Amino acid sequence: DIQMTQSPSSLSASVGDRVTITCQASQDISNYLNWYQQKPGKAPKLLIYDASNLQTGVPSRFSGSGSGTDFTFTISSLQPEDIATYYCQQYDNLPGTFGQGTKVEIK
Amino acid sequence: EVQLVESGGGLVQPGGSLRLSCSASGFTFSGYAVHWVRQAPGKGLEYVSAISSNGGSTYYADSVKGRFTISRDNSKNTLYLQMSSLRAEDTAVFYCVKGRGSGRTPSLDYWGQGTLVTVSS
Repeated sequence: DIQMTQSPSSLSASVGDRVTITCQASQDISNYLNWYQQKPGKAPKLLIYDASNLQTGVPSRFSGSGSGTDFTFTISSLQPEDIATYYCQQYDNLPGTFGQGTKVEIK
Repeated sequence: EVQLVESGGGLVQPGGSLRLSCSASGFTFSGYAVHWVRQAPGKGLEYVSAISSNGGSTYYADSVKGRFTISRDNSKNTLYLQMSSLRAEDTAVFYCVKGRGSGRTPSLDYWGQGTLVTVSS
């Protein structure tokens, strides 16, 4: 199975800050990577697909980049409603393994 | 609007069985693969199983292979997960998830609200 290493596991930032999360795959996955947001008690929501494409209806402050093994997810200006856990997931191979998650909190 | 509604979760004893269902609406169910992803309490996401749009191709994670069976009824827009020989480590919220394509490729878009399965004596 492909291993996805996500970091950091948690972060605390102020409203308006730029937030960056990284995800590293154990092998080349091209751009077959999604990013999801999960708010407490809710189901995950797709934010970014194919590493850098914004899902319909998702605010433009969210973005993704990368290819191969190294990927980055960015919130350009953190908002209070962005408090959540964020997960990367590769879909190059079954099983579609997830990163461990990054919990984002407001400082 | 895409909707996925899971049902069938509950408390079951170790070694027991349970069948989860997922009722889909808002999209052409027969045109897309569907998947099961689970989340143990306080833990991350674990990919469990997939079935292609026509039901001809399935996939199971090693942790559930031989114990779980995925199936679908495209005439009823419904996905199923038959679970047997349940273990305490199967305790989780099980999510039904729509795939972005018709094959088993695990690119996921819309998620149901989840159904909790608790395996305990």
